[in-house]
Amino acid sequence: DVKVTQSSRYLVKRTGEKVFLECVQDMDHENMFWYRQDPGLGLRLIYFSYDVKMKEKGDIPEGYSVSREKKERFSLILESASTNQTSMYLCASSLRSGAGAGELFFGEGSRLTVL
Amino acid sequence: SQQGEEDPQALSIQEGENATMNCSYKTSINNLQWYRQNSGRGLVHLILIRSNEREKHSGRLRVTLDTSKKSSSLLITASRAADTASYFCALYSGGGADGLTFGKGTHLIIQP
Repeated sequence: DVKVTQSSRYLVKRTGEKVFLECVQDMDHENMFWYRQDPGLGLRLIYFSYDVKMKEKGDIPEGYSVSREKKERFSLILESASTNQTSMYLCASSLRSGAGAGELFFGEGSRLTVL
Repeated sequence: SQQGEEDPQALSIQEGENATMNCSYKTSINNLQWYRQNSGRGLVHLILIRSNEREKHSGRLRVTLDTSKKSSSLLITASRAADTASYFCALYSGGGADGLTFGKGTHLIIQP
């Protein structure tokens, strides 16, 4: 079974802190994604990556950056956390397919609270 | 990127009944997927239906797609308490990336 592991289920940080959210997948997937989920807004795509060292902005990249130095690992970075970044963060991965987007495999989520 | 819109936002039914939820969208899609999310957990893929398909089944799940009406429905038959979850439709409209756009979800409660 594909496993997507997010390093922390719950984090509490202070405004202005630098925050790293780590995600590792074990199925050699090319694509990796970071979404945030907020009540009433659903899931929104922050960044995605389709290869090592490649990254593309999603719908809400402001205030975030990402790093993909190895195929299995995709990190989300909040350079200076703010209270409006309090959210559930979900990492996902998928195989790259010429037939269009396939199934996404999600991690369990990281619930971040910024005080 | 377009977002699917699920309807209803919330649904409460008795165990054993069927549950139907709908997803509407605005522009053409390559495929549409349905996911389930249990409270506080990640999403789990249920079914993918391509734009040239009209219906797919998986166990107690049936998904239909009507591209002329730009809508899809997810039917869960003989519901169980364990089906209590939020259900999301996700759209893939094509292009260079394989990211999906998710709707806001339908929260389904199965009453025992």
